[in-house]
Amino acid sequence: SYELTQPPSVSVSPGQTASITCSGNNLGDKYASWYQQKPGQSPVLVIYQDTKRPSGIPERFSGSNSGSTATLTISGTQAMDEADYYCQAWDSSTVVFGGGTRLTVL
Amino acid sequence: EVQLVESGGGLVQPGGSLRLSCAAAGFTLRTYDMYWVRQVTGKGLEWVSAVGTAGDRYYPGSVRGRFTVSRENAKNSLYLQMDSLRAGDTAVYYCARAVAATHDAFDVWGQGTMVTVSS
Repeated sequence: SYELTQPPSVSVSPGQTASITCSGNNLGDKYASWYQQKPGQSPVLVIYQDTKRPSGIPERFSGSNSGSTATLTISGTQAMDEADYYCQAWDSSTVVFGGGTRLTVL
Repeated sequence: EVQLVESGGGLVQPGGSLRLSCAAAGFTLRTYDMYWVRQVTGKGLEWVSAVGTAGDRYYPGSVRGRFTVSRENAKNSLYLQMDSLRAGDTAVYYCARAVAATHDAFDVWGQGTMVTVSS
């Protein structure tokens, strides 16, 4: 079965750039999406179809996807961005989520 | 306001059944691909089922044959019938809507309903 691999944790200083990776076999041939989830809340879509931002998502969130790695980049990270982030893709009529990355803003 | 509201969660014994409901507001549910996703407390997201606008249904191997997703257009609602429940099915269950004209990602999520399978 298809798997998406994320680092368990990423730390970033306020105002700096955070990058969260998601790896999967030929992931660049699929669309990658990213979700933000804060404690006790439902997930929120922040990036879809590799690079698109839904309405209401700040411009500091961006995405890329090439080869076997999709990357979520948060520029000028703010304290409010501290959360769990999940990547997601479709493979053979199956929805696959990555294991999640805890972003800590120190 | 576009929103999804789940209900029907609760405590059920192993081997039992439960039916979750997801009421949609602010949009016509039958015109979107719809999903169920679950999350064990403290763990990651796991896809549970999908139903397309044409009525096509998809499930992961972990629930195939035990769970059934359906829609009731008149009530603008989505359902998940869960049979032969196991302790490993204990989780918060979310319904989610696919981004318009795609099936790639989920832009509207409900608040979730807790399912506990225990004797």
